[in-house]
Amino acid sequence: DSGVTQTPKHLITATGQRVTLRCSPRSGDLSVYWYQQSLDQGLQFLIQYYNGEERAKGNILERFSAQQFPDLHSELNLSSLELGDSALYFCASSETGVSQPQHFGDGTRLSIL
Amino acid sequence: AQKITQTQPGMFVQEKEAVTLDCTYDTSDQSYGLFWYKQPSSGEMIFLIYQGSYDEQNATEGRYSLNFQKARKSANLVISASQLGDSAMYFCAMRDFDSNYQLIWGAGTKLIIKP
Repeated sequence: DSGVTQTPKHLITATGQRVTLRCSPRSGDLSVYWYQQSLDQGLQFLIQYYNGEERAKGNILERFSAQQFPDLHSELNLSSLELGDSALYFCASSETGVSQPQHFGDGTRLSIL
Repeated sequence: AQKITQTQPGMFVQEKEAVTLDCTYDTSDQSYGLFWYKQPSSGEMIFLIYQGSYDEQNATEGRYSLNFQKARKSANLVISASQLGDSAMYFCAMRDFDSNYQLIWGAGTKLIIKP
């Protein structure tokens, strides 16, 4: 158990809809990262937050947005969903420090019908 | 630009044999870290081992060790005495300390352990 909690584990919805994925980081971790992993693909970095502030953006679509709340949990909002958004979405958290590893949640598997 | 290359898309290894998974990287920075992760078929991403560019010793964690060759810019993961449960995707990732806090990921190697 990594200590990172993601909900829901599975999500099935239709094109054009909007969903919110939730992440609770490990206790004490200030950094939260979001990744997308499409079928049999590597990880695509979406966005990072540090202590409530956006720190870095990766390949995040304009239809996607995220935020980190004062209690450090984070949400990833996906809107106007398309079939290609079907993927495994990971949240990870880490302690402060460049040598600290990212610890991943179990992911949310999003299926667009 | 930073880049991670994992040249082995897939590998089959006999149970109890040692396995070496290749990872080469490209960076112009002097300070960086290398990370290996395991992703079983169940989907979770599990952190395995870390090597800093200035670490004098190769990192080890149980059956996992890193064959770190800085001059060759390679950080190969070695799994000793492989087990069926080692069957998974393995990802190598790098973070440059000076210029970038983000992890740069390789494409992964799919390891299958044969009984």
